[in-house]
Amino acid sequence: EAGVAQSPRYKIIEKRQSVAFWCNPISGHATLYWYQQILGQGPKLLIQFQNNGVVDDSQLPKDRFSAERLKGVDSTLKIQPAKLEDSAVYLCASSLKGGLAGNNEQFFGPGTRLTVL
Amino acid sequence: GENVEQHPSTLSVQEGDSAVIKCTYSDSASNYFPWYKQELGKRPQLIIDIRSNVGEKKDQRIAVTLNKTAKHFSLHITETQPEDSAVYFCAASPLSGGYNKLIFGAGTRLAVHP
Repeated sequence: EAGVAQSPRYKIIEKRQSVAFWCNPISGHATLYWYQQILGQGPKLLIQFQNNGVVDDSQLPKDRFSAERLKGVDSTLKIQPAKLEDSAVYLCASSLKGGLAGNNEQFFGPGTRLTVL
Repeated sequence: GENVEQHPSTLSVQEGDSAVIKCTYSDSASNYFPWYKQELGKRPQLIIDIRSNVGEKKDQRIAVTLNKTAKHFSLHITETQPEDSAVYFCAASPLSGGYNKLIFGAGTRLAVHP
């Protein structure tokens, strides 16, 4: 079974520039998550999709971050404009189901390491 | 808001010793508690998980215990080996809009010395 795919793996940009990350979840996984992992910290959930709908974006800085999953499969996360504090690894994860009665195991992608100069 | 505290932040043991990592959570409605291992530069990988209707679960050298009343859970690794060296994250899963999400602890860097 193929895992969660992410691209690019590394990105270096200047502050105030924009950047986009792409994620392809495991086939058949309804739930997709984007996390931000700052060096030395645990992953922090930014947004959670169930199919193509958002179920939680309470921690997403909506003035600069946006995400979409238009067809309920691939997803993109965008930052515009980037700030120095956005430097982090952005992890995408997917699970078969995200609900109370579902399979909660989340499978993570390799992440995108973003450096903002 | 929801919070997960994890201790210790670093742990150093000799090969063959046991290691224990402890976490507490704030949301009493949390019902799923996974543990992830993250090696340097790699993705987090699930090593064991426990649901709120179970008090203890074991898988070979690793075990997890859950105390719902006290809202804390622990990871136990016995007979540690150098390849156990990594950062370990606990997480708790509260419901949000009818869907589970994961709140992660800050991580424990485990070093196993030969």
